[in-house]
Amino acid sequence: SQQGEEDPQALSIQEGENATMNCSYKTSINNLQWYRQNSGRGLVHLILIRSNEREKHSGRLRVTLDTSKKSSSLLITASRAADTASYFCATAPNSGGYQKVTFGTGTKLQVIP
Amino acid sequence: DVKVTQSSRYLVKRTGEKVFLECVQDMDHENMFWYRQDPGLGLRLIYFSYDVKMKEKGDIPEGYSVSREKKERFSLILESASTNQTSMYLCASSLRLTNTEAFFGQGTRLTVV
Repeated sequence: SQQGEEDPQALSIQEGENATMNCSYKTSINNLQWYRQNSGRGLVHLILIRSNEREKHSGRLRVTLDTSKKSSSLLITASRAADTASYFCATAPNSGGYQKVTFGTGTKLQVIP
Repeated sequence: DVKVTQSSRYLVKRTGEKVFLECVQDMDHENMFWYRQDPGLGLRLIYFSYDVKMKEKGDIPEGYSVSREKKERFSLILESASTNQTSMYLCASSLRLTNTEAFFGQGTRLTVV
C-alpha cells in the first residue's frame, strides 16, 4: 500500500473558506512534501517539511508535521477558485534518495466561486 | 525557472508498437525520473537516472526501458506497447537526491489501442 494516504479523498468548499487536507504515513521519514496537480497536468512542488520541523508556512499554505502520530496536514487559507486541483503528499524515507519517495493517491479539492 | 518538457501531451499508439517518450530539462539536474500515474494508485516510479548513461529500476520497470545519452534528456521506451500501459506518464528532475523537491513535466497521456 502507499506510504502516504491523504484524507479526505475529495473536498468541496466555497471560495474564501479554508481547506484542510491530511496525510498519514507508516514508517519513519526524512521529510514530507506536498505537491499540487491541476487537472491533466504535471505536479508542482508546494512545500517540503523536514522531520525535525513541526510547522512551515508559504503564502496561504500552512503545513504541520506530527512525527509521533505519523501525520501531516496542509491548510490552504482563504481559498480561491484557482486552488482547485489535486494535492499529494510525498514521503521521503530516512534511507535512500528521492527515488525512494512515495506519493499518496491525493485529495481532490474543488473551490466553488 | 526550471523547465521540464515532455515531447507530447497526448499519444495514441497501437498494441505492439515501440513507443518513445521524451523528456528534456534545462536546469542541469543530475537526477531524472519517469513515473506513471493511474487513478487510485498514485505515482509509481518506473526508472530513474542519477547521471548520464546511468539508470536504476524503480518499482514497476517491466515492459519499459530508458535511455540517458545526454544530461538534459531522459527517454522512456515501451518496447512493445500493451493496453495495460495506457496511463499518464510524468517525467521529473531534481538537483539532489535528498531533502530536495522534484520538478515535473506537464505529463503525457498515452493510450494504447
